[in-house]
Amino acid sequence: DAKTTQPNSMESNEEEPVHLPCNHSTISGTDYIHWYRQLPSQGPEYVIHGLTSNVNNRMASLAIAEDRKSSTLILHRATLRDAAVYYCILLNSGYSTLTFGKGTMLLVSP
Amino acid sequence: KAGVTQTPRYLIKTRGQQVTLSCSPISGHRSVSWYQQTPGQGLQFLFEYFSETQRNKGNFPGRFSGRQFSNSRSEMNVSTLELGDSALYLCASSAQGIGNQPQHFGDGTRLSIL
Repeated sequence: DAKTTQPNSMESNEEEPVHLPCNHSTISGTDYIHWYRQLPSQGPEYVIHGLTSNVNNRMASLAIAEDRKSSTLILHRATLRDAAVYYCILLNSGYSTLTFGKGTMLLVSP
Repeated sequence: KAGVTQTPRYLIKTRGQQVTLSCSPISGHRSVSWYQQTPGQGLQFLFEYFSETQRNKGNFPGRFSGRQFSNSRSEMNVSTLELGDSALYLCASSAQGIGNQPQHFGDGTRLSIL
């Protein structure tokens, strides 16, 4: 199973951009890169996903390396509500495998 | 559109008992996945059901089982509970359960084993 590696924690100041990295060196060609986040006492929340090209939505941007062995979740302006654990997850297009990273705890200071 | 609903939110059991957890997916979603979350192991995949059939399974013992009904609602059962089964159990639904679709999670059932 393809695995992901993320830093245990990162810190940011409010209103500043945040770049959350994820390494997935054994990713297969059919694995989609998904990002979820989890606030305390809540279930995970979908953030964004992509396959090969960079993706943008109202919550964040996803930058995928050309060789797809790493990706970066970009929060353009961090808010206190963005403080959460962020998970980088690989989902196979055929849904035959699931792998989760340990997640990155993002701390946002006012 | 209602989100994923899990019941109960909290549950306390003793070793040796069994427990059944329930998950109601988003309307129209046919795939339901179950996960176990603990501080030490993080999120771990249990199994996925699609159209009443178990389609994928993680590395958990046979004490963990599930099923899905024709209305896509799903239940998870854990028999002969052990202390190590104390965890947050999460369910997620998606339309087809394939890799290019987001999964929508419920807020989980927190199971405590005494």
